[in-house]
Amino acid sequence: DVKVTQSSRYLVKRTGEKVFLECVQDMDHENMFWYRQDPGLGLRLIYFSYDVKMKEKGDIPEGYSVSREKKERFSLILESASTNQTSMYLCASSLLTGHQAFFGQGTRLTVV
Amino acid sequence: GDSVTQMEGPVTLSEEAFLTINCTYTATGYPSLFWYVQYPGEGLQLLLKATKADDKGSNKGFEATYRKETTSFHLEKGSVQVSDSAVYFCALPGTSYGKLTFGQGTILTVHP
Repeated sequence: DVKVTQSSRYLVKRTGEKVFLECVQDMDHENMFWYRQDPGLGLRLIYFSYDVKMKEKGDIPEGYSVSREKKERFSLILESASTNQTSMYLCASSLLTGHQAFFGQGTRLTVV
Repeated sequence: GDSVTQMEGPVTLSEEAFLTINCTYTATGYPSLFWYVQYPGEGLQLLLKATKADDKGSNKGFEATYRKETTSFHLEKGSVQVSDSAVYFCALPGTSYGKLTFGQGTILTVHP
């Protein structure tokens, strides 16, 4: 069974902390994505990666960075967390362009 | 650029009622189209898909037909159940790296 696993379901961090959200997929997919989900705004793409060490900005990259050192792992980094980054974060992967994406269970991050 | 427009929600229905959630899109060419579902506290999972014009995707009693003339992919179910209560997202993959563009999401609540 295909699987995308996010390291935490819930996180509470303080303003100014450096935060790491980890995502691992076991499907040997090329593409990996980080979205954030907010009420009334749907899903917005933060960053994506199409190969190891390759990354591209999505629609809302400000305040975030990413790392993909291995094919199966894609990390989202909040360099200095702020309260407006309180949100649900969803990781996804897909094999090729045009294929369906598989999602992790989400990480609900609260920044206080 | 690509875009997806979903009907405004939320939608509240009684059990066994008929469901329609409208989705229209703007895209270059004729991409695949997807409906994803997000149950409470979970990530997104693929509900159904259609890969070309006039295709009908179906799963768990839900159906959607890819209509290129009206650029639509409306989701329907003849008789909803309480267990169908969830958020539904229409999506289309972009032409680069499998990036998905999502609609805003429609919250469906089904009462007994």
